Amino acid sequence: DAGITQSPRYKITETGRQVTLMCHQTWSHSYMFWYRQDLGHGLRLIYYSAAADITDKGEVPDGYVVSRSKTENFPLTLESATRSQTSVYFCASSESRQLNSPLHFGNGTRLTVT
Amino acid sequence: AQRVTQPEKLLSVFKGAPVELKCNYSYSGSPELFWYVQYSRQRLQLLLRHISRESIKGFTADLNKGETSFHLKKPFAQEEDSAMYYCALAGNTGFQKLVFGTGTRLLVSP
Repeated sequence: DAGITQSPRYKITETGRQVTLMCHQTWSHSYMFWYRQDLGHGLRLIYYSAAADITDKGEVPDGYVVSRSKTENFPLTLESATRSQTSVYFCASSESRQLNSPLHFGNGTRLTVT
Repeated sequence: AQRVTQPEKLLSVFKGAPVELKCNYSYSGSPELFWYVQYSRQRLQLLLRHISRESIKGFTADLNKGETSFHLKKPFAQEEDSAMYYCALAGNTGFQKLVFGTGTRLLVSP
């Protein structure tokens, strides 16, 4: 399912640095999402986007910034990384907000903040 | 508020044994429930959704509104079922409100 790709797969950064995680999908799906996966918390929604130039906060948006200038790209930026942002980040897309349209996930980015 | 609870972090069974992965939810409206699975070195993917009333890879899940549960069941586990399973709930507003449980790792031993 190579339609949605995340980069990098692994990233180590230092506290206070800015880091951007990339997400690209080739399906022209309207909806895109960023989740973080942590032990004991499962997956939690950070931000989502309904279309180009339309983004909204999810459950845990603090410390993150997103943009969506093109339908196919949905980068996630940590403006000043903190250790609490060490996590595995998943990007996902969906053709629509309708629940019979499944979420398609990327492979994830494992981020470590030292 | 929406909440999904998966009480077991790890479920270990032998091949051929029945499997039940528990999922309980809290939601005041009419829920839409899903099971997602992540096999080793693979992407998280949809396994099944209650609205479809389907059986995928021998797994079924029935929504019990009285007990607010959506347990995943399979009568005879296979080694290839070993994976991480996530129960998820969406309100009728769509995926932007999808809430995941903490996940259960299923380990099927030969």
